[in-house]
Parts: sequence; structure tokens; C-alpha cells
Amino acid sequence: DAGVTQSPTHLIKTRGQQVTLRCSPKSGHDTVSWYQQALGQGPQFIFQYYEEEERQRGNFPDRFSGHQFPNYSSELNVNALLLGDSALYLCASSLVGTDHFSGANVLTFGAGSRLTVL
Amino acid sequence: DQQVKQNSPSLSVQEGRISILNCDYTNSMFDYFLWYKKYPAEGPTFLISISSIKDKNEDGRFTVFLNKSAKHLSLHIVPSQPGDSAVYFCAAFSGNDMRFGAGTRLTVKP
Repeated sequence: DAGVTQSPTHLIKTRGQQVTLRCSPKSGHDTVSWYQQALGQGPQFIFQYYEEEERQRGNFPDRFSGHQFPNYSSELNVNALLLGDSALYLCASSLVGTDHFSGANVLTFGAGSRLTVL
Repeated sequence: DQQVKQNSPSLSVQEGRISILNCDYTNSMFDYFLWYKKYPAEGPTFLISISSIKDKNEDGRFTVFLNKSAKHLSLHIVPSQPGDSAVYFCAAFSGNDMRFGAGTRLTVKP
């Protein structure tokens, strides 16, 4: 049973460019959340998608946008990249309506996509 | 705003001894607290959680303690094993909002 898969694993962009990161959730999960983890910090919540709509958003500018497809996979798009966008971007999946804190139903994270902006 | 803080960036313990990782929070509305473990090149994996209505939860070698009056929780690992060496993140949850601490790197020496 595949867990959460993310692509690409690493990428390098220059300031002003745009990037798209992809995520396939764990089998059976229907909700995808995206996190940004800067160096030396914990993951910061960007937004969450369920039923192809953004359900909740953290404190990130509109340059960060996303999409969820009918198969529950998701994309994170970042426009007009800044040096400060360099980070590990983590995707996490879960199943809505379940107890998120009883072992198997908590957030399941992918290994992340490491973005470097030069 | 740092609503969840892990003030120790690193901790080193001897194999077989107890590891104690600490976490402080500022928002009294958090419902649940969780600990995640992260190995290099992998995503964080869930370790243990505790509801805000409890003060202790135990799972094998791992025990989480919650002190709501002090807004403090801790993770105890007994006995510590070299395979426990990883970065540990404390997380707190309220509604749909999950906040993470910056992590503590635990090194267990053989």
C-alpha cells in the first residue's frame, strides 16, 4: 500500500519563476494538506484541499495556490518565486470525518519536495 | 507567531537511558497534541498523541505528559535506543489548524 508520494524530490528555480509540486495521497485518503518547512523550523500550514476545494488556508500570500483533482491528488503552485520560498514542501493526506488522532488516521506525510530558489 | 515552541534544538542521550523532549504552547484552545518523528529524507511519521482532557498517554516505550496549567508537554522515551535517533516535532491541533514546533534532534549513543 503506497503512502503519500511527492514529485519532484528536488528542484532548483530562479527568482520570479513559477513552480508546480505534485502529491498523490495515501490510498483511502481524500484530504490533502500542504506544509512549508524552512530550514531549522517546523512545518508551516499552507492550505488544505477536500472535494477539490480549498477548505482552509494558513498565513501564506496568494502567490501560493493549489488544486485537487477528482482522484484526490493535488498540486501546489507558487508564482513569482522569492529567495525566501526555498524550503521543503510537505504534502500530507488524511481521511475527513475520522478521528485524526488515533494512530492510522492521523496525517500521513510524504517525503517532501525540496525547492531551492536562486 | 510561534504558538508551539521546542526550545531545545538538540538532545543527546546514552542508549538505555531516558530521553525527555519538551514542548511549550501558548494557545489554550488546542484540543490535541501530537509528536511526530522524522528521519532524513523521509516525511514526519506519527508517534503518539494526547487529548487536552488527559494528562498522560503511554504507548510502549513512549509516554507523553500534558500539563495544561503550565501549557507544557513532554515526550519520554524509555529505554532509548539508537534507532530513536531522529528529529522529533511537537504539534498542536485545534479545529482544522495544526501547528508544529521547530523540532528537537535526538541522538542516542550506543
